[in-house]
Amino acid sequence: AQSVAQPEDQVNVAEGNPLTVKCTYSVSGNPYLFWYVQYPNRGLQFLLKYITGDNLVKGSYGFEAEFNKSQTSFHLKKPSALVSDSALYFCAVRDPGGMMDTGRRALTFGSGTRLQVQP
Amino acid sequence: DGGITQSPKYLFRKEGQNVTLSCEQNLNHDAMYWYRQDPGQGLRLIYYSQIVNDFQKGDIAEGYSVSREKKESFPLTVTSAQKNPTAFYLCASSSIGEGPNQPQHFGDGTRLSIL
Repeated sequence: AQSVAQPEDQVNVAEGNPLTVKCTYSVSGNPYLFWYVQYPNRGLQFLLKYITGDNLVKGSYGFEAEFNKSQTSFHLKKPSALVSDSALYFCAVRDPGGMMDTGRRALTFGSGTRLQVQP
Repeated sequence: DGGITQSPKYLFRKEGQNVTLSCEQNLNHDAMYWYRQDPGQGLRLIYYSQIVNDFQKGDIAEGYSVSREKKESFPLTVTSAQKNPTAFYLCASSSIGEGPNQPQHFGDGTRLSIL
């Protein structure tokens, strides 16, 4: 079974400083990994994904994520945080091997990390 | 603009009542999903559907039912058997033909509360 862990409930960072939101995963095969952001009372917005290739993936709004297979991690990063980045961030995984039985393509989500950027 | 529309935004359920949450998409996506979001627990999958007239249970299907009569629509009914229905419900869709690495697109959710 696939799983995702986001070890920090909240991350606090000052505006202009770099930020990191951590994510580790567990799957049986090579993972498809995703990051989403959620603003209050809204749905999730897609930020970026890792499928294969370069370990550093660039996404929307200046975010990037680094895939590390040996550490089974996919941490979200941004060189300079903005107050408007304050939101709830979710890491998600899809195990391609898990689609062989029922064709299930749903994602498994972490519990979320609240990012608070102080001015 | 293409997207997913969920309605209503807020919904209240009385004891013993069934309520239905609407989800419509105009993205021409084959797959649709329902998730439940509770504070501190992330999103949990209730039901999903990959094709019209077919759907599968997710991880927490008990007390819920769905239908998929049209490609664009995937309504979720919260039945009286669901004893703890208070949550934020999110509908999503994704393309299948473009491969399994496509991201899911989400609606803006329905917040269900008990009266």
